Amino acid sequence: SQTIHQWPATLVQPVGSPLSLECTVEGTSNPNLYWYRQAAGRGLQLLFYSVGIGQISSEVPQNLSASRPQDRQFILSSKKLLLSDSGFYLCAWGRRGSYGYTFGSGTRLTVV
Amino acid sequence: GQQLNQSPQSMFIQEGEDVSMNCTSSSIFNTWLWYKQEPGEGPVLLIALYKAGELTSNGRLTAQFGITRKDSFLNISASIPSDVGIYFCAITSGSRLTFGEGTQLTVNP
Repeated sequence: SQTIHQWPATLVQPVGSPLSLECTVEGTSNPNLYWYRQAAGRGLQLLFYSVGIGQISSEVPQNLSASRPQDRQFILSSKKLLLSDSGFYLCAWGRRGSYGYTFGSGTRLTVV
Repeated sequence: GQQLNQSPQSMFIQEGEDVSMNCTSSSIFNTWLWYKQEPGEGPVLLIALYKAGELTSNGRLTAQFGITRKDSFLNISASIPSDVGIYFCAITSGSRLTFGEGTQLTVNP
């Protein structure tokens, strides 16, 4: 069966520090991969998605970047965090041609 | 991008009551999805709708794909405390999944 792993679960980082959040998927190949951010427990904002290794689509220009170095690995990064980067970050995967993504358990990021 | 209008924004109900929420858009879509998110977790898919007019159930949950293909409804019957969470509608466009703003449901025992 397929599983998605996301870590860390919580993170407190100072303003100006770098960020690296990792997401990996097991049990499938060639997944579509996604990073979402959720602020204040409400709407999910799509940040990046990837349909293949090295292919990244950015939805919202901002202080963050994403990379997909391997088929089942998706990384969210920042060189210098801002206070506004605080939020709940969710990774998700989906099969091409089908609907309904599977989400990871999320990372609660607090920038102080 | 596509904008989904989900209402109500929040609901406070008593255990045993029925719940109804909806999602509308100005655009036509071929698929409507409903997710539930519990506190501190990622959203989980509840129901997927693929055909206009389709009515699909999952236990006490029933969702309908509007005949105009611009809206969808989710009903929960005989609510229980574990129904608490945020319910999201979502649509697919290409490789992207776009979510509504969510309905926060609180169930009082």
